[in-house]
Amino acid sequence: GAVVSQHPSRVICKSGTSVKIECRSLDFQATTMFWYRQFPKQSLMLMATSNEGSKATYEQGVEKDKFLINHASLTLSTLTVTSAHPEDSSFYICSAWSGTSGGHQETQYFGPGTRLLVL
Amino acid sequence: LAKTTQPISMDSYEGQEVNITCSHNNIATNDYITWYQQFPSQGPRFIIQGYKTKVTNEVASLFIPADRKSSTLSLPRVSLSDTAVYYCLVGDTGRRALTFGSGTRLQVQP
Repeated sequence: GAVVSQHPSRVICKSGTSVKIECRSLDFQATTMFWYRQFPKQSLMLMATSNEGSKATYEQGVEKDKFLINHASLTLSTLTVTSAHPEDSSFYICSAWSGTSGGHQETQYFGPGTRLLVL
Repeated sequence: LAKTTQPISMDSYEGQEVNITCSHNNIATNDYITWYQQFPSQGPRFIIQGYKTKVTNEVASLFIPADRKSSTLSLPRVSLSDTAVYYCLVGDTGRRALTFGSGTRLQVQP
């Protein structure tokens, strides 16, 4: 299957600082990427849809000024958690829709996730 | 988006076949059915996807009846490493965001 990477895999930061998480599609181009958040023992919750070259679409209740998303190329989307607080501590997962490029099954492929801990 | 319903948990033993059924009564004509596997602290891993009838790959089989209101993921001869949460999702080939339900927590015992 197609490969999606995330960096960093885990990060610890102080309250009030900003953290950037990168999501890359390694072997296909992704015009659309998605960002999810998952709290312990819970399912994935969609935060936003990231479209290459345009503004992200945020789900209700997700602060767009706090969770900045940039999708500047067909293989990279970034999520920046600004002024992070302890309640932002979570597991952040991105996914990318493969489309028909690269000969992969046309579906969404997920990154390995980024564990964020805000002290 | 079509809502899905699947068992919260299932138990099995090594070597057994496991069938996880998912209900999606409101599935739309353009919707595909996709199953993912998730281990703790990892992103979901694509298992299989289908539209109708039966799909088989090296990992699993997916059975979809003619009315497409349900689907069954079949895992042959499970091992301890198959212990994970399995999600059934319905959507337009992944072009749109997927809505995750609670998933089925499969516990495989020796």
